[in-house]
Amino acid sequence: KAGVTQTPRYLIKTRGQQVTLSCSPISGHRSVSWYQQTPGQGLQFLFEYFSETQRNKGNFPGRFSGRQFSNSRSEMNVSTLELGDSALYLCASSLQGRLNIQYFGAGTRLSVL
Amino acid sequence: AQTVTQSQPEMSVQEAETVTLSCTYDTSESDYYLFWYKQPPSRQMILVIRQEAYKQQNATENRFSVNFQKAAKSFSLKISDSQLGDAAMYFCAYRSADNDMRFGAGTRLTVKP
Repeated sequence: KAGVTQTPRYLIKTRGQQVTLSCSPISGHRSVSWYQQTPGQGLQFLFEYFSETQRNKGNFPGRFSGRQFSNSRSEMNVSTLELGDSALYLCASSLQGRLNIQYFGAGTRLSVL
Repeated sequence: AQTVTQSQPEMSVQEAETVTLSCTYDTSESDYYLFWYKQPPSRQMILVIRQEAYKQQNATENRFSVNFQKAAKSFSLKISDSQLGDAAMYFCAYRSADNDMRFGAGTRLTVKP
């Protein structure tokens, strides 16, 4: 079974641009969560999608948005990029269920210049 | 809000020895889940072990075991017979019943040959 796939692996953007990251979950997983990882702030939860609906949202500005498609693939968009948005963005998928273990992708490294 | 604290930014252990990584959390809930994730230098986060709060028995996965003290809100990870491949960042994570997921800041484990 293929794991969680994130594309692209690396991105370089300049301030003010926007970016879209993609996440394909493990087959059968309907929940997708996004995290931002930085050396200073650690792992911070961005949002979770389940069945095309945002179920939970972290404490991030509105420039960060996401969506989920009917095949459970998810995209995350960051508009008007700032230098502080440079980070590793991780996606995790899970089955619906009580234990709900999250399986992570390798991440997308975003550098904002 | 739930918080997860890992008080050891770095730990080191001699190969074949045992090491314990600490984690404490703060919550007012009674139903939750706890996890230890490992993030090797290649970045992919891997689940090491999980514990359901309603289970008193400590979880064990081969060389990895936890000491779960619910009243003390402590969830430490013990790695026995440490191997070079255990070198990684280890994250303690808390998930509430409504899927709110929080991570600790991480502990970087070095294994000395």
